[in-house]
Amino acid sequence: DQQVKQNSPSLSVQEGRISILNCDYTNSMFDYFLWYKKYPAEGPTFLISISSIKDKNEDGRFTVFLNKSAKHLSLHIVPSQPGDSAVYFCAASATGNQFYFGTGTSLTVIP
Amino acid sequence: GAVVSQHPSRVICKSGTSVKIECRSLDFQATTMFWYRQFPKQSLMLMATSNEGSKATYEQGVEKDKFLINHASLTLSTLTVTSAHPEDSSFYICSARSPGLNNEKLFFGSGTQLSVL
Repeated sequence: DQQVKQNSPSLSVQEGRISILNCDYTNSMFDYFLWYKKYPAEGPTFLISISSIKDKNEDGRFTVFLNKSAKHLSLHIVPSQPGDSAVYFCAASATGNQFYFGTGTSLTVIP
Repeated sequence: GAVVSQHPSRVICKSGTSVKIECRSLDFQATTMFWYRQFPKQSLMLMATSNEGSKATYEQGVEKDKFLINHASLTLSTLTVTSAHPEDSSFYICSARSPGLNNEKLFFGSGTQLSVL
C-alpha cells in the first residue's frame, strides 16, 4: 500500500522557468514531510522540509507547500537550472516513526 | 552538515557469497540507522531499522537471516547480505537520523550498488 504517491514519473521544464513537483499522501497521521534530490547511483540529498503546523516553507529557490485538507504537498523550484535535473522524492512520517517515500519524479531542466 | 559515509559504493559478487556494507555517521552519533533498497524506477523501500545495542527491526517480507544488521556502535551499522543471489541485486542505501534540533532530518549514505552474478 503506497502511502505516499508521486503520480508524475517525469517532468521537463525550460531553464529559468518554474518546476512544480507534486506529492500526495493518504495517512492523516503524517505530520512531517521532506523532499530529497537524488542523482543516479548516489544517495538522496535533503532539500527542504515542512511540518504540519505550517503550510509553506521557503529556502532559496525551493519552496514547499502543504495542503493538509487535500493531503497534498508540492515543491516549487524557481528559477529552474540545468543542475536541478535529478529525481526528486517526497517523504512523510508520523512523529517518531519511519519515513515513507514516494516513487520519485525525474526532473529534466532543458538549457 | 551531518555526513553519512557508506562503503563500498559498488560491489560485484558471485552467487552464494556474502557481502558486507558499512554505514558510518561521521560527525554525529546515530542511535538509529535505517537500511533501504531501491529497485530501478521504484521508491526507496525500508528494509530494517537498526538500533545501537539492540536487535534490528525488520519490515514485513524482509528475511532477517538473509540481511544481517549489526549496529555495534553509535557511529557504525553494517548490513550483510548472506548467500547472495541475483535477485538480491539492487541499490542499498543507509540513513541516519541526526539528533538535536533537526532530529527529524535523515542523512543518507551514497549508496551501494550490488550486482550478484
